[in-house]
Amino acid sequence: NAGVTQTPKFQVLKTGQSMTLQCAQDMNHEYMSWYRQDPGMGLRLIHYSVGAGITDQGEVPNGYNVSRSTTEDFPLRLLSAAPSQTSVYFCASSYSGTAQSPLHFGNGTRLTVT
Amino acid sequence: SQQGEEDPQALSIQEGENATMNCSYKTSINNLQWYRQNSGRGLVHLILIRSNEREKHSGRLRVTLDTSKKSSSLLITASRAADTASYFCATSPTDSWGKLQFGAGTQVVVTP
Repeated sequence: NAGVTQTPKFQVLKTGQSMTLQCAQDMNHEYMSWYRQDPGMGLRLIHYSVGAGITDQGEVPNGYNVSRSTTEDFPLRLLSAAPSQTSVYFCASSYSGTAQSPLHFGNGTRLTVT
Repeated sequence: SQQGEEDPQALSIQEGENATMNCSYKTSINNLQWYRQNSGRGLVHLILIRSNEREKHSGRLRVTLDTSKKSSSLLITASRAADTASYFCATSPTDSWGKLQFGAGTQVVVTP
């Protein structure tokens, strides 16, 4: 059972480039989310989804897009990378949403924007 | 803005000692959750305590919740070197379904 899988593990981008961070889960979880982790600031929610076809904004959504075409996948798109987006990105899923069940995290993608 | 704030920011103890860290939050919650993060890894869920619960145990972990004071504590008893990690509290606010909000974490170092 793989759990939550994130790819790539590391990525370096130049300012203005775009890319997609991949996230897949094999636990049939309805809820999926993306967080970014910066030193001294804990995790901040970027976007989340409560099921296929449904997405919503978190605390820091600007500069990021998401879509949820299947239950398993929840990719995060950076439209035009900026140095402020240098961070570690975590994808997480849960069975029925955070009001009722805990999150399962991937191992993260470390992104550097130069 | 962060919902939860952990205290202390860092904690250094020796093996066998107990480690206690606290979390304060600002709004009404459905539940409060504690997570552990080892260096370079994703977060791992430890305990979820619901708003109508006051105490919960899991192995060497004990979590308390005081909703009147909007605070929680995590106690790790008989610490081991393998407990070295960062510990985060996270809250599920009643007015923001789907948004789990994390604090900045407590960095715990357990020396043999």
